[in-house]
Amino acid sequence: EAGVTQFPSHSVIEKGQTVTLRCDPISGHDNLYWYRRVMGKEIKFLLHFVKESKQDESGMPNNRFLAERTGGTYSTLKVQPAELEDSGVYFCASSRTGGTAPLHFGNGTRLTVT
Amino acid sequence: GESVGLHLPTLSVQEGDNSIINCAYSNSASDYFIWYKQESGKGPQFIIDIRSNMDKRQGQRVTVLLNKTVKHLSLQIAATQPGDSAVYFCAENFAGGYQKVTFGTGTKLQVIP
Repeated sequence: EAGVTQFPSHSVIEKGQTVTLRCDPISGHDNLYWYRRVMGKEIKFLLHFVKESKQDESGMPNNRFLAERTGGTYSTLKVQPAELEDSGVYFCASSRTGGTAPLHFGNGTRLTVT
Repeated sequence: GESVGLHLPTLSVQEGDNSIINCAYSNSASDYFIWYKQESGKGPQFIIDIRSNMDKRQGQRVTVLLNKTVKHLSLQIAATQPGDSAVYFCAENFAGGYQKVTFGTGTKLQVIP
């Protein structure tokens, strides 16, 4: 099966600009997650979708971040306006239903805000 | 690489030797634990998991040990190979929930040929 794909792989933007990250999960995976690692920190949970519904967005840092999953397929994560501290690697993951269903991660989007 | 700015503990192991990577987890209520491997430029990849009702689980060349008393996990890799060079993360979660996983800081494994 095709893995989780993320686009773009790298993005360099200036502070105040907008960036939209895209994630295509594995086909058939209802669960989609966004995680991120900012400089010097651990990988942190951002939010979780089941199909098109947000189940948990407790990890979203602030209202400059907006995630969507229209139609329950691919997801986008928009940062508007971007700040310097948003720089890091944003990972998307998907899984089947079940608390122990393994997470399948994409290769991430490296975001650099200058 | 992706780990720039993140000072990871590093374990250097001779090819063919066994590796042991240790991890302390934080939440005594966690009942499901996972080890991930992350190679440069890639996302974390599932290696092996263990539930809290077990203290040992074996996979292919890997073994995970769980000590709930001291909240400690270890990953043992037998006959370490150059392809095992990566950053290894332990993670904790609740088996009855969804995958809102808490990751550790990671350990970089360097295999010396």
